[in-house]
Amino acid sequence: QVQLKEAGAGLVKPSETLSLTCTVSGYSISSGYYWGWLRQAPGKGLEWIGSIYHSGITYSSPSLRSRVTISVDSSKNQFSLSLSSVTAADTAVYFCARDQGAMRGTDPFDMWGQGTLVTVSS
Amino acid sequence: SYVLTQPPSVSVAPGQTASVTCGGTNIGSKSVHWYQQRPGQAPVVVVYDDTVRPSGIPERFSGSNSGNTATLTISRVAAGDEADYYCQVWDRNSEDWVFGGGTKLTVL
Repeated sequence: QVQLKEAGAGLVKPSETLSLTCTVSGYSISSGYYWGWLRQAPGKGLEWIGSIYHSGITYSSPSLRSRVTISVDSSKNQFSLSLSSVTAADTAVYFCARDQGAMRGTDPFDMWGQGTLVTVSS
Repeated sequence: SYVLTQPPSVSVAPGQTASVTCGGTNIGSKSVHWYQQRPGQAPVVVVYDDTVRPSGIPERFSGSNSGNTATLTISRVAAGDEADYYCQVWDRNSEDWVFGGGTKLTVL
């Protein structure tokens, strides 16, 4: 079955760049779908960050767009997130997920990774 | 930007029916997805596109959407249904996936 797993630094200093990678198994990213990043601050709700297609086409949340870069490496079946100029407000569990409904809205994020906690602190 | 409003908490006795609402301006014109999230776990889709239940989700979970309110209904509630529930829509105007604030379902 399709599995996603996040990996990356669990502690990032303020003003630096957060970097995470999601490795997908059981499905080839090149076969289709968008692939997304979401986050959840401690005790808070879910927030979408952005999504990418295997061709490299991306779309992202207007509130984070200026700080977000999402890239894809189809040869490794991975996609990555970079979030620049982080502050304590970026402390959250970061999830990667398959974005079925990209820009159409009729389908959800149907497969999720387990999530990884990233703390922003000096 | 588009706002989705959920009650922070809903409580229900075992065997009863729970209704979780999601309010938004003319939400009936959008496709609503519902996620269940147990503590320490990733969200799981329980209903998508207003009324569709993914394979493996019990028939006890159902959804509706009309006017300014979408509703997730859980019938014959069991202890295992205790979780946070989130609604989600795609806002075409802002090109943004929007989530409600979440509702904590407590089984008494």
